[in-house]
Amino acid sequence: GAVVSQHPSWVICKSGTSVKIECRSLDFQATTMFWYRQFPKQSLMLMATSNEGSKATYEQGVEKDKFLINHASLTLSTLTVTSAHPEDSSFYICSANTPRSQETQYFGPGTRLLVL
Amino acid sequence: GESVGLHLPTLSVQEGDNSIINCAYSNSASDYFIWYKQESGKGPQFIIDIRSNMDKRQGQRVTVLLNKTVKHLSLQIAATQPGDSAVYFCAEKLTGGGNKLTFGTGTQLKVEL
Repeated sequence: GAVVSQHPSWVICKSGTSVKIECRSLDFQATTMFWYRQFPKQSLMLMATSNEGSKATYEQGVEKDKFLINHASLTLSTLTVTSAHPEDSSFYICSANTPRSQETQYFGPGTRLLVL
Repeated sequence: GESVGLHLPTLSVQEGDNSIINCAYSNSASDYFIWYKQESGKGPQFIIDIRSNMDKRQGQRVTVLLNKTVKHLSLQIAATQPGDSAVYFCAEKLTGGGNKLTFGTGTQLKVEL
């Protein structure tokens, strides 16, 4: 149980384009999903908390207009990196809480983004 | 500011030995802690958790110890195997902070044959 998937697993795009990353809870309904960014050999940095049916809550320093988050259903949240630039290249990981444990986060496999 | 940190960035152990990974946290208001294992290129994998009203919890080959007096968390792995090689992160949840987790800096565990 508590399986989280992400798509795509990796993406290469040109500077200035937008990229959408999907996060799905496969065997449970997640009222809350989280989006993290991780640079090489660094820890996970929370970008935003995504609640189903409401606006995402962004962490300080994260641009809302650049990282668009949509949580339209209890099993799907999307992160769109708009007008991507090379400095946005990173490993993006989502996580979700389960109904049984609102505290434990289960993570997806991550999406590697490379902006050329 | 509040932070969660690890003492050792890299830990090398011999296969079959026990591993101890440490984590210091500074926020006494944290009430829940999790250890995650992250293999290269993958997302973090839940290992074990513990609440602040406990001081020890055991799982399969793993034990988490919590010392609230000195704000210290440790993960013990028994009979370390090559498959245990990964980066290990501790994470804490603040009381009243929603369900957000704050992650430590991570420890690279290397298992030598």
